[in-house]
Amino acid sequence: QQQVKQSPQSLIVQKGGISIINCAYENTAFDYFPWYQQFPGKGPALLIAIRPDVSEKKEGRFTISFNKSAKQFSLHIMDSQPGDSATYFCAAQDTGRRALTFGSGTRLQVQP
Amino acid sequence: ETGVTQSPTHLIKTRGQQVTLRCSSQSGHNTVSWYQQALGQGPQFIFQYYREEENGRGNFPPRFSGLQFPNYSSELNVNALELDDSALYLCASSFGGTRETQYFGPGTRLLVL
Repeated sequence: QQQVKQSPQSLIVQKGGISIINCAYENTAFDYFPWYQQFPGKGPALLIAIRPDVSEKKEGRFTISFNKSAKQFSLHIMDSQPGDSATYFCAAQDTGRRALTFGSGTRLQVQP
Repeated sequence: ETGVTQSPTHLIKTRGQQVTLRCSSQSGHNTVSWYQQALGQGPQFIFQYYREEENGRGNFPPRFSGLQFPNYSSELNVNALELDDSALYLCASSFGGTRETQYFGPGTRLLVL
């Protein structure tokens, strides 16, 4: 019940295209959903986060869409750039457990 | 840069040895969490410390232990190292409550031979 399932495992997008990464969860106690970006040899860096009281949050080229009834959320990267090439992790946190539960990651490659 | 620092950056140990990893939290943060990230996987929660007390633990054996100091820096200790302990160890700091964003350090890469 603590799992967060992430897809796809890898993604290749052309420069200027839209990258879409999906996540699904089971635990209804989750109430905070961040996305992290990780470059090789670096720690995860917070990209954008959403709480379940809103269905969408946009920051620059990055948008989270959240569907509470389906227990799914997704990250959209608009106008993808080669510098966006990294591994992206969705995560979820519940107030009781305090820990972040991560998805398995999506390796994004943006081709010039 | 998050302001979270970790040392050392890389470490090689042999099976059965003990290791101590260190983390310095971002200024103003009183909570530190430790995660293990195996190659090609997402980070797995080890435990969290809040004001020097353990505040939650993941599915890791007791040979994984930690400390948090009055200045909120932290240590992760692993005894009786096993080959499967080879991973990137990440610490993340946050301020207070359970809904606060966690900011990660660059990690320590541990290789157990």
